[in-house]
Amino acid sequence: KAGVTQTPRYLIKTRGQQVTLSCSPISGHRSVSWYQQTPGQGLQFLFEYFSETQRNKGNFPGRFSGRQFSNSRSEMNVSTLELGDSALYLCASRLAGWYEQYFGPGTRLTVT
Amino acid sequence: GESVGLHLPTLSVQEGDNSIINCAYSNSASDYFIWYKQESGKGPQFIIDIRSNMDKRQGQRVTVLLNKTVKHLSLQIAATQPGDSAVYFCAENRDGNQFYFGTGTSLTVIP
Repeated sequence: KAGVTQTPRYLIKTRGQQVTLSCSPISGHRSVSWYQQTPGQGLQFLFEYFSETQRNKGNFPGRFSGRQFSNSRSEMNVSTLELGDSALYLCASRLAGWYEQYFGPGTRLTVT
Repeated sequence: GESVGLHLPTLSVQEGDNSIINCAYSNSASDYFIWYKQESGKGPQFIIDIRSNMDKRQGQRVTVLLNKTVKHLSLQIAATQPGDSAVYFCAENRDGNQFYFGTGTSLTVIP
């Protein structure tokens, strides 16, 4: 079974631009969560989607948004990029009703 | 406040020795914990999990211990190998909601 996939793997943007990242969960997994990982900060939860609805949201500004499609694929968008948004963005999926969560390889976003 | 923290940011062990990585959590309501391994350039890889109704769980070369009295979690790796070098994270979950992660411990295995 294929794992979680994320595209693109690397991205360079300039301040003020916006970016969209994509995540395809493991087949059958309907829950998708997004995390931001920066040096020294660990993984910080952005939001979780289940059946196209946002179920949980972390403490991030409104510039960070996401959505989920009927095939469970998810996208996250960051508008008006800031230098501090440079990070590894990770997506994780899990089965409905299960705790076990599996991560993708991440998208490395660099904002210049 | 809520926190999931790690006692040591770095750990070096000799190849073949056992490794112990520790994690403290502050919310006694947490009912599920996962240990992840993250190698450079990769996403976190699920290692082992444990529910709050258990004290110990064993996998292949790994054991997780949960002490709810002191809110402490540990990951033991037996016969540590060079391929075990990575950053290890613990994560806690309450009621199936969001996971909270620690900042990670970097394990270096010395050949």
